[in-house]
Amino acid sequence: QSALTQPASVSGSPGQSITISCTGSSSDVGGYNDVSWYQQHPGEVPRLVIYDVTKRPSGVSNRFSGSKSGNTASLTISGLQAEDEAEYYCSSYSSRPTPSYVFAAGTQVTVL
Amino acid sequence: DVQLVESGGGLVQPGGSLRLSCAASGFTFSNYWMSWARQAPGKGPEWVANINEDGSQKYYVDSVKGRLTISRDNAKNSLSLQMNSLRAEDTAVYYCGRRLSSGIEYWGQGTLVTVSS
Repeated sequence: QSALTQPASVSGSPGQSITISCTGSSSDVGGYNDVSWYQQHPGEVPRLVIYDVTKRPSGVSNRFSGSKSGNTASLTISGLQAEDEAEYYCSSYSSRPTPSYVFAAGTQVTVL
Repeated sequence: DVQLVESGGGLVQPGGSLRLSCAASGFTFSNYWMSWARQAPGKGPEWVANINEDGSQKYYVDSVKGRLTISRDNAKNSLSLQMNSLRAEDTAVYYCGRRLSSGIEYWGQGTLVTVSS
């Protein structure tokens, strides 16, 4: 069972903004700036879209942004496009029970 | 271009062993932390192990400690995962990845490991 919780699904219309939350604890999300977000289309390899809470890898659209407040991290996708329809996973460094990286179960984003 | 190519997956009986390899190219391999991650059918990704640039630091998810061993050969630009005492729950696509701080920036295409009798 993942230590991180995401909503099972989020939807939005083209052009809108959506936000996906990732809730953990002080042992993971709240205690470290080591949160990353991945996009995965069916049959494809995960793609890193945000790392270190707010940073975008080279080549990732600035429509993707990350933030954190307390034990909850968030991924916001602005100007929603059809190609954004995918599964999104958050991940965080966790110090308990032993140092590791944990993934949440994922959020299905649907573009209406 | 960064390329990561995994090999070595296959069907193995419970309790058996496999060795996965990852051939890296397009970047200075010895400058990066590397990871293995896996994804079971229909599930999300799971981090498995990290190794630092010179191989002196290794970290594992609890469920594989003592059974899986990550290693690297910087002279050959190669990452490996020795998998012993395999269990049904180890069945997954295994990915080699190049780390970018808290994330895995580059992923290989993966190699399927199936543990079944």
